[in-house]
Amino acid sequence: EAQVTQNPRYLITVTGKKLTVTCSQNMNHEYMSWYRQDPGLGLRQIYYSMNVEATDKGDVPEGYKVSRKEKRNFPLILESPSPNQTSLYFCASSPGQSSNSPLHFGNGTRLTVT
Amino acid sequence: GDSVTQMEGPVTLSEEAFLTINCTYTATGYPSLFWYVQYPGEGLQLLLKATKADDKGSNKGFEATYRKETTSFHLEKGSVQVSDSAVYFCALSDIRSSGSARQLTFGSGTQLTVLP
Repeated sequence: EAQVTQNPRYLITVTGKKLTVTCSQNMNHEYMSWYRQDPGLGLRQIYYSMNVEATDKGDVPEGYKVSRKEKRNFPLILESPSPNQTSLYFCASSPGQSSNSPLHFGNGTRLTVT
Repeated sequence: GDSVTQMEGPVTLSEEAFLTINCTYTATGYPSLFWYVQYPGEGLQLLLKATKADDKGSNKGFEATYRKETTSFHLEKGSVQVSDSAVYFCALSDIRSSGSARQLTFGSGTQLTVLP
């Protein structure tokens, strides 16, 4: 089944403790992206990647890192989480760069930073 | 920059009622427009899309027409069901002004509840 898989689904951590949220897609998609969803704000893009070893900042990249060493994986790294990073995170992918291509989303990771 | 303004929710309707969720956008280029739906505990799923002016996207009884003159992409359904209860997001996809990468801009989402 074609899908985007995120792990974990739920994560509670403390300020300053490094964490990684994994994302994997099995559709051979070139484009991958991370979003955070906050009430009243919709989804905001954190980072995106157009292909292996090609990543770039989205609209709210502060406090996050990503890597794209393989086409299928696009982990999101929080080196020193803070409470304002408490949010619902989504990974998404699409076949290419065209603005026509819809995104395929994972089921989300709900992160709480205390 | 690009922006999407979506009708504030929540919206509560009775089964078989007519649904309209308003969406207007601002864009510098020639964007593609999407409606995504998010069911509880799940990620967003594509509902429909339109890639150029006057295109009509449709799926599962939902429709939206890309209106360039009014910069709108309103979502409609003639008769909603309880199973349509979800959060609906309007989105615009364009090419970033800084280069060739795509940029997807979302509205804030509209919660729809359909009562039996």
